[in-house]
Amino acid sequence: AQSVSQHNHHVILSEAASLELGCNYSYGGTVNLFWYVQYPGQHLQLLLKYFSGDPLVKGIKGFEAEFIKSKFSFNLRKPSVQWSDTAEYFCAVTGISNFGNEKLTFGTGTRLTIIP
Amino acid sequence: EPEVTQTPSHQVTQMGQEVILRCVPISNHLYFYWYRQILGQKVEFLVSFYNNEISEKSEIFDDQFSVERPDGSNFTLKIRSTKLEDSAMYFCASMGTVYSNQPQHFGDGTRLSIL
Repeated sequence: AQSVSQHNHHVILSEAASLELGCNYSYGGTVNLFWYVQYPGQHLQLLLKYFSGDPLVKGIKGFEAEFIKSKFSFNLRKPSVQWSDTAEYFCAVTGISNFGNEKLTFGTGTRLTIIP
Repeated sequence: EPEVTQTPSHQVTQMGQEVILRCVPISNHLYFYWYRQILGQKVEFLVSFYNNEISEKSEIFDDQFSVERPDGSNFTLKIRSTKLEDSAMYFCASMGTVYSNQPQHFGDGTRLSIL
């Protein structure tokens, strides 16, 4: 069974600090990887995704993530955070099939609080 | 940008009552999902639906749960006899074409409170 681990439960940073949120997954096959963000009171929004190709993927709002296959990791980074980045961040994985209906398995989420 | 819409945004129901949560997926999408998030916990998969039938369901999705796409636009989740532990945020998601390299798009969720 696939699983996702996010080891940072709550991260507090000052504005302009650099951010790295850890994500490790377990799955016995090829995966698609995602980071979703949930701003307070809002729905899950896709930040970025990795399907294949360049392991360094860039998403919206200056976020990027690097897929390191040997470490089963897909860490999220941002060089300089803003107060508006305060949110909950979820790493997620799906297996790859020809049917396109693979479920998302989410990590427990990391709450990010940015102090102005 | 097209959105997944869910109604109601908040549903309060007495334990033992039936509840129906409604979702309108993005119009040309073919794959539909329900997830739930109990307060303070992670988002959990409930069920996936394609071609008018369930593709996969989790252990949570027991006989009390059912899904339906009654009219080609709505996608509903029914809980037949609600329990206190059904209190959660329920998210609908949809995904586009038959090609698997598509992200799932989520709705705003329905907060279900069981009294």
